[in-house]
Amino acid sequence: EPEVTQTPSHQVTQMGQEVILRCVPISNHLYFYWYRQILGQKVEFLVSFYNNEISEKSEIFDDQFSVERPDGSNFTLKIRSTKLEDSAMYFCASSDFAGYQPQHFGDGTRLSIL
Amino acid sequence: KNEVEQSPQNLTAQEGEFITINCSYSVGISALHWLQQHPGGGIVSLFMLSSGKKKHGRLIATINIQEKHSSLHITASHPRDSAVYICAVLTKETSGSRLTFGEGTQLTVNP
Repeated sequence: EPEVTQTPSHQVTQMGQEVILRCVPISNHLYFYWYRQILGQKVEFLVSFYNNEISEKSEIFDDQFSVERPDGSNFTLKIRSTKLEDSAMYFCASSDFAGYQPQHFGDGTRLSIL
Repeated sequence: KNEVEQSPQNLTAQEGEFITINCSYSVGISALHWLQQHPGGGIVSLFMLSSGKKKHGRLIATINIQEKHSSLHITASHPRDSAVYICAVLTKETSGSRLTFGEGTQLTVNP
């Protein structure tokens, strides 16, 4: 069964550094999402992306965050200047039709900011 | 107040028991998801439903739109069912792409 893949599985970065989290969605999916889960807390929506633009973003997704689909397969989340509170598990998901089909999740990238 | 509330927060069962996890929500929704989060952190979609009932193997999910309530049932539970079960909703107020999550229910099934 096709799956969403995320790399790296664990990223350790110094505070203030830029970090890029990578995702390869399922190939025929059109909608892409990023979520984060701070340790011990619930999963939170960050952003959804369709047709090469952001379709919705949460209050968390401020100017420090950006998303990009640089080619036909990758979907990236960039954090420009990381803060300690950015430490979390970041999940990528994709679906073939927003709201009407299940979202398929990757295994996540654990981001640790030192 | 959370838009999505799950109960119980923690549940311990003996192998073979029938399990019920509940989810209540306070907003209008277009669909509800049940997700399973493994101990390693990965998330798997179990069900997406907007009405009625769905069954997959030993798992059954029901939703009552009028009551704003959904349940996830596990029949003949097994230790491999031990995981966090998460209810998440697609709210009507958004574009339909934003999932709002509950806190999750930690299920432990003992042999």
